[in-house]
Amino acid sequence: ETGVTQTPRHLVMGMTNKKSLKCEQHLGHNAMYWYKQSAKKPLELMFVYNFKEQTENNSVPSRFSPECPNSSHLFLHLHTLQPEDSALYLCASSQEGPFSYNEQFFGPGTRLTVL
Amino acid sequence: GQNIDQPTEMTATEGAIVQINCTYQTSGFNGLFWYQQHAGEAPTFLSYNVLDGLEEKGRFSSFLSRSKGYSYLLLKELQMKDSASYLCAVLDSNYQLIWGAGTKLIIKP
Repeated sequence: ETGVTQTPRHLVMGMTNKKSLKCEQHLGHNAMYWYKQSAKKPLELMFVYNFKEQTENNSVPSRFSPECPNSSHLFLHLHTLQPEDSALYLCASSQEGPFSYNEQFFGPGTRLTVL
Repeated sequence: GQNIDQPTEMTATEGAIVQINCTYQTSGFNGLFWYQQHAGEAPTFLSYNVLDGLEEKGRFSSFLSRSKGYSYLLLKELQMKDSASYLCAVLDSNYQLIWGAGTKLIIKP
C-alpha cells in the first residue's frame, strides 16, 4: 500500500450504531488530519494530530471521537450520529505539522450515510 | 471573518484554455494552495504559491497577487480527464488552512 488509505470506503449506519473509520498513511509523515466534506461546502477541519498528540479540535461534537495510536494510524470513532453528519470524511497527512507550507496528502475518503 | 471565494461551476471545451479564479480575505497569508479532486476520489496537490507571479507546471499554471488577494489556476489544452473540482486554500497567519468550496469544472468534447 502506498500513500494514504482509508477504510471503509462506504458506511451506512443508524443513529444508535457505533462504528469506526480507519486511516493509515505509508509516507512517514508526522501530522494527520480528519476533515468533513459536504456537498458544495468548504472542507471542514475536524481534528489534527502532530506526533500522535492532538493539537486541534475545531468544536467538533463529542459524538466524534478521534484516536491516534501512532504516527501512521488515525481512527475516528462514531456514536449516536445524526443524519446531518452524513458526508465524505477525508483523512490527510503531511510531513510537518500541524500546519505548514507542506502539501497535504489525502486518502480517498469514507462516504458516510446516517439513517 | 475569513473567506475564500471561487466560482461554483465552470464549463469549457476540450482543447481550450480555462482560468479558475480564487479571491481571499484572511488574517494574514502564508501561501495559497490549489488541489484537484475527481469525483469520489482524494484531493491531490497541484500547486503552492507564496510569492507574487506565475508558476508554471506543464499544462497547469497558478498565479498569485497578494496585494489583490487573488489567485487563478490556468489550465491549457484541456483534456476530458481534467473534469474535476478544483479547491483553493489559503494558509493564514496562524498557519490555519482556510478552504474554498471548490469549483466544479466540466469539460465538453
